[in-house]
This record gives sequence, C-alpha cells and structure tokens, in this order.
Amino acid sequence: GENVEQHPSTLSVQEGDSAVIKCTYSDSASNYFPWYKQELGKRPQLIIDIRSNVGEKKDQRIAVTLNKTAKHFSLHITETQPEDSAVYFCAAKSGGSNYKLTFGKGTLLTVNP
Amino acid sequence: KAGVTQTPRYLIKTRGQQVTLSCSPISGHRSVSWYQQTPGQGLQFLFEYFSETQRNKGNFPGRFSGRQFSNSRSEMNVSTLELGDSALYLCATALQMNTGELFFGEGSRLTVL
Repeated sequence: GENVEQHPSTLSVQEGDSAVIKCTYSDSASNYFPWYKQELGKRPQLIIDIRSNVGEKKDQRIAVTLNKTAKHFSLHITETQPEDSAVYFCAAKSGGSNYKLTFGKGTLLTVNP
Repeated sequence: KAGVTQTPRYLIKTRGQQVTLSCSPISGHRSVSWYQQTPGQGLQFLFEYFSETQRNKGNFPGRFSGRQFSNSRSEMNVSTLELGDSALYLCATALQMNTGELFFGEGSRLTVL
C-alpha cells in the first residue's frame, strides 16, 4: 500500500521567514496530494491541494510543488506569521481501486514572533 | 450549513469494554471516512463508507468496525478495548467517494484505562 514520509517532524522559524515541509510517497499511481493544517485542539482543515497533472500551485503565501518522477511534494509558506503555527499533514491518494488517503505523520510548525 | 458532528466528544473506558462513536456528515455528503490520530503516528485510515457499504479498509484489527445508515450517518465500534486504543478518532466526510476535500469533525477523544 501507499506509504507517505514527512519531514521534518518539527520546524521552528522566525516570523517573516519561509517554511518548507517535504513529503515523499511510494505509490506511483497516486494522483492527488492535499495538505491539511491542524491548529491545537481543532480539526484538520484543507489548506491547499495539487493533482498529478500539475507541477505547482500557489495560493497567496502558500504553494505546493510536485515532482512525480522523484515521488515527492513540498509545502512552502512564505512570510510566516504566528497564526501559521500548527501541525501540517501531507497526504497522498492512490489511484485505481485503492483510493484511500494516506497521511504523513505531521510537522509541528512554530512561528516565533 | 452545519459541519461534521461527532459524538461523544470525550469518553473514558476500561480495558475489555466496547465503545461506539457517531458521526453526522455535512448535509449532502455521502462519503464518511474514519481516522485514528495518535501523537507521533499522525492520521491513520480506518475505513470509508459510501451508500451504506464499506468501500475501503485500513490495517486495523477486526475489533474495529463500522457502519453507515441510509441518511449517511456513520458509527464506528471498537470492541475489547486495549490501552493502545486511546486516541482521537476523527470522522471526515465528502460529497462523493474518491473526491478531493475531506471535511473533518472535531473528533471523539477516547481514553482507555
């Protein structure tokens, strides 16, 4: 089955700096890659996603890149703010009949004012 | 419109007991997935239901089961509870099976003593 590795597990940055979180996946048939943000004590919420026919997607300060050949994708947050502090999860959805969403173990991002 | 509702929010059980958790999806959402969240393990997929049928299953023992009703509400049951079952159980719903964004509930936090 699909295996998603996420790094780093914790990341601390100064306000205004950029943050990058990287994920690799194992199933070359995976075709959908969302990122979820979970603030402390709250539910995970989708912040951005990308499909396998696209190499990059941007939404204001957040961008995601996908390298299908290397089977890895990354989340980039620019001009970080304290409210960006949260746990971020990457995920990959396999194609075909085994379409379940497999999550990485999460990255705790702390943005220091 | 109302979000995903999970009940109960918190519960404490002892080893050997069983527990039933409930999830009411967003109106119109027909797919319901369940995830177990534990520190360091991220979100692990339990199963997905659509049209009252289990469509996919994760790697959990048979003590974990679920069902979906005709109104798309879902329940999951864990029998013969073990200490390691202590976790946050999250329900996530979507309009259709194998589609993009999942909408998560706030979870049911289970503590097994």
